[in-house]
Amino acid sequence: NAGVTQTPKFQVLKTGQSMTLQCAQDMNHNSMYWYRQDPGMGLRLIYYSASEGTTDKGEVPNGYNVSRLNKREFSLRLESAAPSQTSVYFCASSENAGRANYGYTFGSGTRLTVV
Amino acid sequence: QKEVEQNSGPLSVPEGAIASLNCTYSDRGSQSFFWYRQYSGKSPELIMFIYSNGDKEDGRFTAQLNKASQYVSLLIRDSQPSDSATYLCAVYTGRRALTFGSGTRLQVQP
Repeated sequence: NAGVTQTPKFQVLKTGQSMTLQCAQDMNHNSMYWYRQDPGMGLRLIYYSASEGTTDKGEVPNGYNVSRLNKREFSLRLESAAPSQTSVYFCASSENAGRANYGYTFGSGTRLTVV
Repeated sequence: QKEVEQNSGPLSVPEGAIASLNCTYSDRGSQSFFWYRQYSGKSPELIMFIYSNGDKEDGRFTAQLNKASQYVSLLIRDSQPSDSATYLCAVYTGRRALTFGSGTRLQVQP
């Protein structure tokens, strides 16, 4: 039982390049999330998807786009990477968005460096 | 004012002692509260959640919630070196998704 799987685990991009971070969950969860974590800043919400077919902006959505491809998969795209997007990115899922139920399950993270 | 505030630490306690981690939140309408543990270079993992005022115990961990004072705490009894990690407090306000604090680093000295 894999839980939440993120790919890639590490990536180095040049400024202006684009890439897509992939996330898939096998727990039949309805809701999925993308966070970024920077030193001293905690986890900040980029985008989330409360259910299949819906996506909403979080706290720091600028420079990112998302796609909820199906119930299992939620991808995050950087169209033109900037050094300020250097961070660790975590995908998470939960049974439902409301009340956050029993919390989130996180993927192992993607360490992205933009040079 | 940050929505969820934690002292960054490090909080240093000797092995076997009680570690007390605190978190305050700004939204009085917050509904549910979570504690995550994160080891260096790893992803957060859920330790406990609490919805109602009072204490909730699970093994060596106790979560305490005081909605009137808008704080939630985590007590770790009989602290072990393996408990050394960053502890993240997270709050669900009913809007969007969980809001996380920046975490408190705990060091348990052998």
